[in-house]
Amino acid sequence: SQQGEEDPQALSIQEGENATMNCSYKTSINNLQWYRQNSGRGLVHLILIRSNEREKHSGRLRVTLDTSKKSSSLLITASRAADTASYFCATDRGQKLVFGQGTRLTINP
Amino acid sequence: EAQVTQNPRYLITVTGKKLTVTCSQNMNHEYMSWYRQDPGLGLRQIYYSMNVEVTDKGDVPEGYKVSRKEKRNFPLILESPSPNQTSLYFCASRETGRETQYFGPGTRLLVL
Repeated sequence: SQQGEEDPQALSIQEGENATMNCSYKTSINNLQWYRQNSGRGLVHLILIRSNEREKHSGRLRVTLDTSKKSSSLLITASRAADTASYFCATDRGQKLVFGQGTRLTINP
Repeated sequence: EAQVTQNPRYLITVTGKKLTVTCSQNMNHEYMSWYRQDPGLGLRQIYYSMNVEVTDKGDVPEGYKVSRKEKRNFPLILESPSPNQTSLYFCASRETGRETQYFGPGTRLLVL
């Protein structure tokens, strides 16, 4: 079964706006990762946040983690057309990553 | 350039015709893995390998085989493909002790 559940499943915003995606998971974690997938292509690692961290930044990305609620959020600020992609959260379960279903983000010019 | 490569990128085949999807990484990673991605089911792990000659099943190994004779290569073998193996396949690798995985570009397989 999938560990993470992303919300919303799809998000459409105007270029320049901020996009927020949420991820919930079921069991305790050591870390949570976010990946981006452009249409039909490979996944690219964006950012990793450890269980003892509450917030992390990388460029226009901000990730938060609330282990008490078993949830994480990914904020993309000042969105660009190139941010159009699917975004997945993933948690480590032994020797595999368990992915959520993803949020499909569309940035409209 | 550090990368994971897969071949072929697209493949149409018929039921029962054996095929191999190759995966190669140039980062000297010990760990490699195969996932399949299906609509509504997300990404699911098929097999993984901790190092040369060490492989183990993931969540959906039925109908697949793998081998790890060299560190850089981790081919996925479908001995007798069936239509339910139509999917988008990804190979991934990572360094031992690190969490970030590097994914290949994907192989889109259609089994008729």
